[in-house]
Amino acid sequence: ETLMTQSPATLSVSPGDRATLSCRASQSVNNNLAWYQQKPGQAPRLLIFGASSRATGIPGRFSGSGSGTEFTLTISSLQSEDFAVYFCHQYSNWPTTFGQGTKVEIK
Amino acid sequence: EVQLVQSGAEVKKPGESLKISCKGSGFTFTNYWINWARQMPGKGLEWMGTIYAGDSDTRYSPSFQGQVTISVDKSISTAYLQWSSLKASDNAIYYCARMTSLVNWFDSWGQGTLVTVSS
Repeated sequence: ETLMTQSPATLSVSPGDRATLSCRASQSVNNNLAWYQQKPGQAPRLLIFGASSRATGIPGRFSGSGSGTEFTLTISSLQSEDFAVYFCHQYSNWPTTFGQGTKVEIK
Repeated sequence: EVQLVQSGAEVKKPGESLKISCKGSGFTFTNYWINWARQMPGKGLEWMGTIYAGDSDTRYSPSFQGQVTISVDKSISTAYLQWSSLKASDNAIYYCARMTSLVNWFDSWGQGTLVTVSS
């Protein structure tokens, strides 16, 4: 199966700063990559699909890039509500697999 | 509003059976695949399987084939995940999530069901 590796495991960022999260696939997933945000005790929320398309209602400060095996989620200016866990998801190769997550915490 | 509402937390003993549910509303349930994913304490998500609510076509991850059963009752827009004999290693939060086609992202998720298995 396709192994998804996210880095770093934890990212300490100050409000207003830029956050860059990475996701690497063990084999090509083309652009079939999604990003989700999960806050404690809440359901995951879709942020990005197709590697770079924002889901409905997602603020413009969230952007995704990459293709093949290397992907990035960028949060341009962190707001208080953005401190959460983010995980990537490939839906190109069967079975679909998820990364282990990156926790974005307040510095 | 699209919603997937899961059944409440469960506490069970090893060897007991369990069936948890995921009820959809705000969309045409039978047009979607409903997935189940496991999140063990402190770990990432693992996809377990999926079912097409329209015709009950079901696919399982090799890791979960034979360990769980996924089913659906389209008359009440509800998908199910069941175990015939729970193990301590089944301790986890289980999420349902919908997708529009078999190879796709998950665009809406349930709130999760915590399953605790302890003697």
